[in-house]
Amino acid sequence: AQSVSQHNHHVILSEAASLELGCNYSYGGTVNLFWYVQYPGQHLQLLLKYFSGDPLVKGIKGFEAEFIKSKFSFNLRKPSVQWSDTAEYFCAVNAGNAGNMLTFGGGTRLMVKP
Amino acid sequence: GAVVSQHPSWVICKSGTSVKIECRSLDFQATTMFWYRQFPKQSLMLMATSNEGSKATYEQGVEKDKFLINHASLTLSTLTVTSAHPEDSSFYICSARDPRGDYGYTFGSGTRLTVV
Repeated sequence: AQSVSQHNHHVILSEAASLELGCNYSYGGTVNLFWYVQYPGQHLQLLLKYFSGDPLVKGIKGFEAEFIKSKFSFNLRKPSVQWSDTAEYFCAVNAGNAGNMLTFGGGTRLMVKP
Repeated sequence: GAVVSQHPSWVICKSGTSVKIECRSLDFQATTMFWYRQFPKQSLMLMATSNEGSKATYEQGVEKDKFLINHASLTLSTLTVTSAHPEDSSFYICSARDPRGDYGYTFGSGTRLTVV
């Protein structure tokens, strides 16, 4: 079964700092990759997704992620974070052999100091 | 865009009672829905995959008799926590995959269950 690892459990940044959150997965075949954000007290929202094509994916709110197949990675980046980016971020993978099932990473809690 | 409505948002029940949580796809038909559980400060754990018109597929370690799932129509799946106990207190989230367009997953707003 596939697994998803997010190595940064907690990240604290100051406003305007750059952000990179790691995500690695274990499945060797075709994958669909997602990043979700969960703001305090709110439900999960899709930030961006990768299905195929350009491995550099741009999402909402200035986020982007790069799919590096050789590294089984899909890291999330943002050049300059804002206080409003304080939230929990989840990487998720749908592996080709898993039907519609999503496997989530453990999440990264980001706190941005004003 | 695709919308998934989950109800109720929060519920408090007495130990030993049953609680039903509804998940509806509002503007699309979902042959498959997913039920997740999220413990405080932890990630989402898939509990089961709900299949319209057939039995749900449960993940290992999830008690089928405790967490009853019914997916009677293409827009509604229900999760019933039977004979709830305090350890069942958690945040339950449903999700569905919109078959139109880019096949994104949409999540409900979640149900916070507290068993006292």
